[in-house]
Amino acid sequence: DIVMTQSPLFLSVTPGQPASISCKSSQSLLHSDGKTYLYWYLQRPGQSPQVLIYEVSSRLPGVSDRFSGSGSGTDFTLKISRVEAGDVGIYYCLQGINFPRTFGQGTKVEIK
Amino acid sequence: EVQLVESGGALVQPGGSLRLSCAASGFTFNIFSMNWVRQAPGKGLEWISYITGSSSAIYYTDSVKGRFTISRDNAKNSLYLDMNSLRVEDTAVYYCARVALAGRGYFDLWGRGTLVTVSS
Repeated sequence: DIVMTQSPLFLSVTPGQPASISCKSSQSLLHSDGKTYLYWYLQRPGQSPQVLIYEVSSRLPGVSDRFSGSGSGTDFTLKISRVEAGDVGIYYCLQGINFPRTFGQGTKVEIK
Repeated sequence: EVQLVESGGALVQPGGSLRLSCAASGFTFNIFSMNWVRQAPGKGLEWISYITGSSSAIYYTDSVKGRFTISRDNAKNSLYLDMNSLRVEDTAVYYCARVALAGRGYFDLWGRGTLVTVSS
């Protein structure tokens, strides 16, 4: 199974400041079709998860451009350029190249 | 409205059984692959099972293999999870989640979840 390791597990950020979350996979997520199957989700308090980013760096429609994804192979990063109050929650990475699908442990983001 | 609504969660004793349902509406259910994902209290997300639109391919995480069975009834726009030999560690909110089309692979629609509590 592919192990997804996120860091840090907790972030306390001042509004307007940037934030960065790392996600490392135990195997490359680059498929033979040329796509890299790494996704980012946000689970706001009391809500179901929602997808923010697919294939490393593609934002879903409606997702703020303050969110950006980058990386390749086994190392990935989610960046929030200027954190806002509505960004609080737990961020998860998910790999979609192999079964079983596996999530990172989650990174809890709070506002200072 | 495009939505998924889970039901069937309950308090059950260890060793017991339960069937979860996920009712889909507002979209053409039979063309979408579906998943079950769970979240133990205060813990992270755990993917547990996947089924294609035609039920031609099914996958499970190891911890539920042989105990849980995913299925679907496209005529009823419904996804199911039959859970047997339940353990205390199966206690969680269970979400159904739809897989996006066009090979994107991400889970683009989630239900609100149903709580399963396994306790004596």
